[in-house]
Amino acid sequence: DVKVTQSSRYLVKRTGEKVFLECVQDMDHENMFWYRQDPGLGLRLIYFSYDVKMKEKGDIPEGYSVSREKKERFSLILESASTNQTSMYLCASSQGLAADTQYFGPGTRLTVL
Amino acid sequence: AQKVTQAQTEISVVEKEDVTLDCVYETRDTTYYLFWYKQPPSGELVFLIRRNSFDEQNEISGRYSWNFQKSTSSFNFTITASQVVDSAVYFCALRSYQKVTFGTGTKLQVIP
Repeated sequence: DVKVTQSSRYLVKRTGEKVFLECVQDMDHENMFWYRQDPGLGLRLIYFSYDVKMKEKGDIPEGYSVSREKKERFSLILESASTNQTSMYLCASSQGLAADTQYFGPGTRLTVL
Repeated sequence: AQKVTQAQTEISVVEKEDVTLDCVYETRDTTYYLFWYKQPPSGELVFLIRRNSFDEQNEISGRYSWNFQKSTSSFNFTITASQVVDSAVYFCALRSYQKVTFGTGTKLQVIP
């Protein structure tokens, strides 16, 4: 079974802090994704990566950056956390970009105070 | 730009009733893929089904069935004889090369 793990289920940070959210997949997938999920807005794509060191902006990249130094690991970085970044963050991976199923991690609920 | 609309925000049904979750999409791509995911209260999205744009055959898997109609750009999901374990948020998603769009989700509550 594909497994996607995220470093924390719950995280509380203060405004202005630098925040790292880590995601690891164990299926040698080429593509990894970061979403945020907010009530009434569904899942919105922040960034995705189709190869090591490659990244593409999604629909809402402002205020975020990403890092993919190894194939299995995709990090989401909030350089200076703000209260409007309080959300559920979901990581996903897939082998292909279009046809293949995305496998999701359990999510990290981030609260920025 | 592509778009996925799940107009039903919340649905409540009594156990054993049938329920249909609607999904309408927009895309200019000729090749695309449609997905349904289930998000139970535990939070992790679970894949249910994938359809490609060239395959309009409906599909049945146990109590679940999907109706894909390109003419109306819809990919609806029906649960027959609903059970309490079906209570979850269901997401429809559209993927084409390097683009992925999720709907806003439909929260289904099955009342015993």
